[in-house]
Amino acid sequence: QKEVEQDPGPLSVPEGAIVSLNCTYSNSAFQYFMWYRQYSRKGPELLMYTYSSGNKEDGRFTAQVDKSSKYISLFIRDSQPSDSATYLCAMKYRLYNQGGKLIFGQGTELSVKP
Amino acid sequence: DVKVTQSSRYLVKRTGEKVFLECVQDMDHENMFWYRQDPGLGLRLIYFSYDVKMKEKGDIPEGYSVSREKKERFSLILESASTNQTSMYLCASSLGLAGGPSSYEQYFGPGTRLTVT
Repeated sequence: QKEVEQDPGPLSVPEGAIVSLNCTYSNSAFQYFMWYRQYSRKGPELLMYTYSSGNKEDGRFTAQVDKSSKYISLFIRDSQPSDSATYLCAMKYRLYNQGGKLIFGQGTELSVKP
Repeated sequence: DVKVTQSSRYLVKRTGEKVFLECVQDMDHENMFWYRQDPGLGLRLIYFSYDVKMKEKGDIPEGYSVSREKKERFSLILESASTNQTSMYLCASSLGLAGGPSSYEQYFGPGTRLTVT
């Protein structure tokens, strides 16, 4: 069983839709949670990070963490064609260990159609 | 802005060749990483380094080695390239311990698409 599971998609939605991207994890030692966005032919870039259960909002993006269920989500409101990318969740065991090693999900490919 | 550069965007090599992939970061980051990215498998960590001359194996180190002689440069070496090493290779760096929670954000280079024939 992989430590972090993410539905690879692809996911196709119409412009303006609400998108929900999800990851589950098996190890309760994960304490730090991130979402990366990767455009085609580019490296991933950090979108959001959080280290507590609950919601964190940044513009049209909301990151949600449920540690009791070992489940994290990224919601995109009013999705735009420019949101078309692969989204990767990433997790870290503790803040100060192993040189900042992250565990990544497989990535979900999202396409937002005009 | 943090910049992570990789020596080549596209590379074609023959089976058995020794291959060097170079990565340079310009923000004095402590940590550097090499990943490979394959469809359906996501990012898999090959090696990482948290200091000059220090290295740690990641999840899939077999067939690879690394070198970090200077803080800003981290090299990935394929000792004898094989076709199953055809992949996208991504280098990343992060600030490290001193900077607090956000210091573990990893900054990625654009990737090198390696094809081994």
